[in-house]
Amino acid sequence: EVQLVQSGAEVKKPGESLKISCKGSGYSFTSYWIAWVRQMPGKGLEWMGIIYPGDSDTRYSPSFLGQVSISADKSINTAFLQWSSLKASDTAMYYCARGVLPGATRNRYDPWGQGTLVTVSS
Amino acid sequence: DIQMTQSPSSLSASVGDRVTITCQASQDISKYLSWYQQKAGKAPKLLIFDASNLGTGVPSRFSGSGSGTDFTFTISSLQPEDIATYYCQQYNNLPLTFGGGTKVEIK
Repeated sequence: EVQLVQSGAEVKKPGESLKISCKGSGYSFTSYWIAWVRQMPGKGLEWMGIIYPGDSDTRYSPSFLGQVSISADKSINTAFLQWSSLKASDTAMYYCARGVLPGATRNRYDPWGQGTLVTVSS
Repeated sequence: DIQMTQSPSSLSASVGDRVTITCQASQDISKYLSWYQQKAGKAPKLLIFDASNLGTGVPSRFSGSGSGTDFTFTISSLQPEDIATYYCQQYNNLPLTFGGGTKVEIK
């Protein structure tokens, strides 16, 4: 079974750093792009960017470029989303999702991880 | 960026009704549109890809059509388990973009 399992909920203060994870299993992790998608409370889905774990090629949405960092460690089949200095406006649910077509940057997504809730509050 | 305009933002219908949601792209995206279902507190689930192809295990009451800039998603006979928010997503150009969502409720 193809599966993405994300790390647990986080509560942080403004200015703190954070790295959340997404572990893939049941498929060749290095062959499919992984996306990160933000969902702010009560709002819609926003595509943040993608990474190809095979060579760590990364593409960002202009809205998120410089705000977050996407990385991957293919030795442990895990992708990461990282902040160096969190803001209250980063409070959201974050999903990872796997591209359906191997090697394709432009892709629909299936499956999705269960989501990681990040709360930033003083 | 390609803007995806989805309508309506919410709707209320009776069990058994036909439900239609539209999605308009700000430029030609060919057939590269997918539809997702998100139930409350859950991750999105892929229902339709390439505008009209049903995802694995998706019931046949769901369908999609369109190409270019105008797309339609239909539930032929609304069921109680279809209560969710539905999103379109274009994957013709990076950055990929989603519509604003349509919340479907039972009347």
